[in-house]
Amino acid sequence: SAVISQKPSRDICQRGTSLTIQCQVDSQVTMMFWYRQQPGQSLTLIATANQGSEATYESGFVIDKFPISRPNLTFSTLTVSNMSPEDSSIYLCSVDHSGVGTEAFFGQGTRLTVV
Amino acid sequence: QKEVEQNSGPLSVPEGAIASLNCTYSDRGSQSFFWYRQYSGKSPELIMFIYSNGDKEDGRFTAQLNKASQYVSLLIRDSQPSDSATYLCAVRKSGGSYIPTFGRGTSLIVHP
Repeated sequence: SAVISQKPSRDICQRGTSLTIQCQVDSQVTMMFWYRQQPGQSLTLIATANQGSEATYESGFVIDKFPISRPNLTFSTLTVSNMSPEDSSIYLCSVDHSGVGTEAFFGQGTRLTVV
Repeated sequence: QKEVEQNSGPLSVPEGAIASLNCTYSDRGSQSFFWYRQYSGKSPELIMFIYSNGDKEDGRFTAQLNKASQYVSLLIRDSQPSDSATYLCAVRKSGGSYIPTFGRGTSLIVHP
């Protein structure tokens, strides 16, 4: 299994500001994903972070709001831009270590509160 | 119809009992099925995956898959209070996408 370090683990931010979340994996992985989990809800995929190219966003999520970087096969960042209270959620980094969809592992998550 | 459906619960069982968690999915061509456990305030942790019809056992956990009826279940034998968590079902659909779709999860409470 992959060891995934995600930081910060939590933050309280002012509306209108931006927060960048980092995800570091201890080995090279093919696929990295960013999810959002709102209170009492399941995981919603935001985007797939592609190494060397623009991220692939799911319906309802746009690059201007959630810019993603993936400079190499072990690291990715997600920025939540121009935050509003509706962005308060847990954000999770996930990797598919096998690269063939056999299993996925998650970082510890970032609990974001926007005030 | 949601792609992956779970009863949100809570499901309450006494310690030592069998907890049965169920999940149905809409895409008949789905290929891979996963169960994750998520403790409050923590990230999901993969506990089992299953690809073929039938049962797959791992310790106190048994995953059951019935593709004809489009459901997958998780049985937890000899339930312990430490099993109290939300259990997420995830399904990887057909068509080449490797990204799983998650259900909303079932909250399990094991009381002493």
